[in-house]
Amino acid sequence: EVQLVESGGDLVQPGGSLRLSCAASGWSFSRNAMTWVRQAPGKGLEWVSAINGGGSKTYNADSVKGRFTISRDNSKNTLYLQMNSLRAEDTALYYCARGNGYNSFAFDIWGQGTVVTVS
Amino acid sequence: DIQMTQSPSSLSASVGDRVTITCRASQGITNYLAWYQQKPGKVPELLISAASTLQSGVPSRFSGSGSGTDFTLTISSLQPEDVATYYCQNYNSDLGFTFGPGTKVDIK
Repeated sequence: EVQLVESGGDLVQPGGSLRLSCAASGWSFSRNAMTWVRQAPGKGLEWVSAINGGGSKTYNADSVKGRFTISRDNSKNTLYLQMNSLRAEDTALYYCARGNGYNSFAFDIWGQGTVVTVS
Repeated sequence: DIQMTQSPSSLSASVGDRVTITCRASQGITNYLAWYQQKPGKVPELLISAASTLQSGVPSRFSGSGSGTDFTLTISSLQPEDVATYYCQNYNSDLGFTFGPGTKVDIK
């Protein structure tokens, strides 16, 4: 079964740091791009960061540039999001999701999410 | 970054009605447009990619069309299980991967 399981969400003070992880299983992880998408309580979906299948190319939303870093370890089938200089507006449910190709970013598989609270 | 807009922001329709949601991109994105459905309290689900390609397992009453800057999602016959918020998303990597603000669909 294709599956994504996020972890690492927590309560953190403004200015603090956190690292999220997303463990993938059920397919050849390196074949697909990956992404982080967040959803603040009662709000819509906001794309955060993305990375291609090999990890050579990354993309970040303007709202997190210079603060968040996406990475992946294809030997461990794991996606990461390093979040620094956290702000109250970063509070959200953070989903990891799979792109539908090596360099394709329509997101066809989603995890259940992990909650980040900045307060 | 590119801006994505959707209209309407919400709608209420009867079971069996044809429902159309519009998505507009601030720049041309060819056909790099995806549609997602998010039911209350659930994880988003990809319905359509490449503007009009239905994902496996998605009911055929859903369809997508458009290219460039203007796109539509159509539900040909609304069903109770279609109550959800629908999001469009640009996935042209030169322009970022912005989501639209969402359209909430209810049953009248």
